[in-house]
Amino acid sequence: AQKVTQAQTEISVVEKEDVTLDCVYETRDTTYYLFWYKQPPSGELVFLIRRNSFDEQNEISGRYSWNFQKSTSSFNFTITASQVVDSAVYFCALSEGDSGTYKYIFGTGTRLKVLA
Amino acid sequence: GAGVSQSPRYKVAKRGQDVALRCDPISGHVSLFWYQQALGQGPEFLTYFQNEAQLDKSGLPSDRFFAERPEGSVSTLKIQRTQQEDSAVYLCASSFTSGTAHEQYFGPGTRLTVT
Repeated sequence: AQKVTQAQTEISVVEKEDVTLDCVYETRDTTYYLFWYKQPPSGELVFLIRRNSFDEQNEISGRYSWNFQKSTSSFNFTITASQVVDSAVYFCALSEGDSGTYKYIFGTGTRLKVLA
Repeated sequence: GAGVSQSPRYKVAKRGQDVALRCDPISGHVSLFWYQQALGQGPEFLTYFQNEAQLDKSGLPSDRFFAERPEGSVSTLKIQRTQQEDSAVYLCASSFTSGTAHEQYFGPGTRLTVT
């Protein structure tokens, strides 16, 4: 069955620390897509990254980086030199190629608190 | 351009009342999704439209929930005879096309409180 697990419910770090948010997924499909979204206190989900199952290259975008490992079914997200503005709930999501609709299956989210 | 908009942003309904939640997707977006987000949880899929066709309603929790997108743009999620367990944030998202998992753009949500 398809599932996304974000085991870390809440993480607190001090500004400028690095932090990694874990995401583990389960799927039987060979074609699937993984996403990370940020949900700040305002509530609107903000798209961060999309990765398909055939592309295991890691990606870096400014202070953000993502590590996709099919062998461990993980798609982890690292924020380098965290800032207070990074405080939010972060969601990992899975979209399966065979579903036809490409609906998202979300994890339960990780709340990140960055303290000044 | 404008993002996804939803109205109302907040809705308080007495148990048993009907409510209608509106979503205006990004212009030209083919795919439209509704999700329900309970407090402290991740969003859960409700239903999916490709243009005006409702292709997947497997996530609708009961026959009290009904969604439509008659002209392939604006969508309405209707909940009849609301119950307390319907209290949640209802999120609408749109995506440029169908046929692959493009990123979805989310609206700010409608927070429904059933008293």
